Amino acid sequence: GQQLNQSPQSMFIQEGEDVSMNCTSSSIFNTWLWYKQEPGEGPVLLIALYKAGELTSNGRLTAQFGITRKDSFLNISASIPSDVGIYFCAGQLLGSSNTGKLIFGQGTTLQVKP
Amino acid sequence: DVKVTQSSRYLVKRTGEKVFLECVQDMDHENMFWYRQDPGLGLRLIYFSYDVKMKEKGDIPEGYSVSREKKERFSLILESASTNQTSMYLCASSPRGTGRTGELFFGEGSRLTVL
Repeated sequence: GQQLNQSPQSMFIQEGEDVSMNCTSSSIFNTWLWYKQEPGEGPVLLIALYKAGELTSNGRLTAQFGITRKDSFLNISASIPSDVGIYFCAGQLLGSSNTGKLIFGQGTTLQVKP
Repeated sequence: DVKVTQSSRYLVKRTGEKVFLECVQDMDHENMFWYRQDPGLGLRLIYFSYDVKMKEKGDIPEGYSVSREKKERFSLILESASTNQTSMYLCASSPRGTGRTGELFFGEGSRLTVL
């Protein structure tokens, strides 16, 4: 099936550092989304992107929908301990707009050292 | 508070047993999904449903079936559990026809161990 390549797989950073992660694909997506999963919980939506080139912020989080429609990145500025979790990118192909069917990346596990 | 509720957080079953995982959402969403989460593989779609009694296979449907008799409830069935079905199972829902169908609401997950 379709695949998203998400990197890095894991990050161990110091509190206060900035974080960057990205997703790439050989397919074109019409929607990119970023989810966060905290330990013992289901994923929660952080940011949704609907237009190529779109740059959207949610507090300390910023995400962009790549111009080629084949990639997206997520930045977290000034990380804090509660940023710990697994971050997933997800893409929605053009034909899946009605069904909500998504393709997920492998996830980036973030650990923050106080 | 909007909610997707999965019936069991932890289950331990034996090989060959029939397993039911239940999911209920209170948001009147048309779309419902069952994903499987394994380390290093992300979330993989097993089945989804966009209406009552409608179902479509996802990327890894083998060994699973689903049932959607009511709009709010979507069940995942393992007819004969096997050890390679040991995993975290996540249910999700989203609204249809809003342009935001990819904005999924997830349950807390059901961790299944098959011995």
